[in-house]
Amino acid sequence: QQQVKQSPQSLIVQKGGISIINCAYENTAFDYFPWYQQFPGKGPALLIAIRPDVSEKKEGRFTISFNKSAKQFSLHIMDSQPGDSATYFCAASIRHAGNNRKLIWGLGTSLAVNP
Amino acid sequence: NAGVTQTPKFQVLKTGQSMTLQCAQDMNHNSMYWYRQDPGMGLRLIYYSASEGTTDKGEVPNGYNVSRLNKREFSLRLESAAPSQTSVYFCASSSGTSFGGYTFGSGTRLTVV
Repeated sequence: QQQVKQSPQSLIVQKGGISIINCAYENTAFDYFPWYQQFPGKGPALLIAIRPDVSEKKEGRFTISFNKSAKQFSLHIMDSQPGDSATYFCAASIRHAGNNRKLIWGLGTSLAVNP
Repeated sequence: NAGVTQTPKFQVLKTGQSMTLQCAQDMNHNSMYWYRQDPGMGLRLIYYSASEGTTDKGEVPNGYNVSRLNKREFSLRLESAAPSQTSVYFCASSSGTSFGGYTFGSGTRLTVV
């Protein structure tokens, strides 16, 4: 199973609130879980990533929580700001064709932070 | 600035016309990718090149061809454009073997009428 299921599809949060986006996977061969942020008119950009041997990773207001037994991981944006309004993609990396790797993508979450 | 450069940024084609989307990266990455992005459908992989001299089909290759011209450049060709190919196209690159992330270009918005 090489799917990554992402929810919700869209999210509206008030300024200062917490934004939470969830992802789930089935394939236990996935071994790296990045999140990408995409602003309108731009390409996605790597935001934060986690390895499955770590339960949490924090970078500023962005935190990934990882639950290996449940095969779920989530992105938390604390003190959400209007500038965080963007589309967020979760992804999972897997070894492919020898030493190469490929990313399997979630479908994305459109986040709007109201001022 | 180092990164991935895509041209053109915008294009309108008539049904049946052909065009080539250009992509170049200056990060010495081995792997390059072409994605299309449509509302509600996320990023769908069209073709990828794991290394110079190789190309492979992704999820949605029909109607497209690619060329890995050298390590820096990876082009996407639409031989006979169809309205279903109206989309935003992104090129990306990565080292291929490390856990490092993908670097994306800023995209080409293509409309086929």
